[in-house]
Amino acid sequence: DIQMTQSPSTLSASVGDRVTITCRASQSISSWLAWYQQKPGKAPNLLIYKASSLESGVPSRFSGSGSGTEFTLTISSLQPDDFATYYCQQCNTYLSFGGGTKVEIK
Amino acid sequence: EVHLLESGGGLVQPGGSLRLSCAASGFSFSSQDMTWVRQAPGKGLEWVSGISGSGGSTYYAGFVKGRCTISRDNSRNTLYLQMNTLRAEDTAVYYCATLTSGWYVGYWGQGTLVTVSS
Repeated sequence: DIQMTQSPSTLSASVGDRVTITCRASQSISSWLAWYQQKPGKAPNLLIYKASSLESGVPSRFSGSGSGTEFTLTISSLQPDDFATYYCQQCNTYLSFGGGTKVEIK
Repeated sequence: EVHLLESGGGLVQPGGSLRLSCAASGFSFSSQDMTWVRQAPGKGLEWVSGISGSGGSTYYAGFVKGRCTISRDNSRNTLYLQMNTLRAEDTAVYYCATLTSGWYVGYWGQGTLVTVSS
C-alpha cells in the first residue's frame, strides 16, 4: 500500500498569509495526486487534481505542485473561508489519503 | 445536479453485519466508477472500496480483508456496501462518492454513520 504523509498536522495562520502544506508519498506516484478541503460536519471538496490542475470553481489562490513523492498545496492569501482541514490523496495505486492538515486561525 | 444519498447506517453489535446503500441521481450512473470512503469520529479520511461502472471490477483496501463486498444495481442507480464481522474500529461516517477518470473523488454524499458497539 502507498502511504501518504502530510505536514504539518496543524497550522496556525492569519487572514492574508501565504500557506503551504506538504504531502509525501511512500513511493513514486507520478502526478496522481489530489487535494481536498473539508469543513466540520461536511463532506470533502476536490480542489486540485493531477497534482496541479485546479478544479472548476475553485479560487485561483489555491495551487498545487510536485511530482514523484513530494507535493505541496499553496494558498497564496488565506481567506476566512479557507480555515478548514486539507487532505491529499494518491490514485496511482487504488486510493489512499494523507492524515490531514488543519488550518486554524492564529 | 449530482445527488448521492446514503442510507443503512446505524448501531450494530460487534460481529454483526450491515448493508449500506447509496441512491444516485443527476448523472449517468452506469458510466461512473464509484467508491466508499469512511471517516472515524475526529479522524481522517480512509478509502474502503471502489467499483467500475459496469460492476465487473471491484477493489478493496487492505484492512477490509474479505469482510466487505461492494456492488451496484445500475437499473436502480444504487451503490451498495455489505459489511460483515464488524468491529468497534469500523465506527465511522461512510461516504458514497463518484470517481473521475484517474480515480479522483468528484462528488460526495452527505455520509451515513455506522456505530459498532455493544
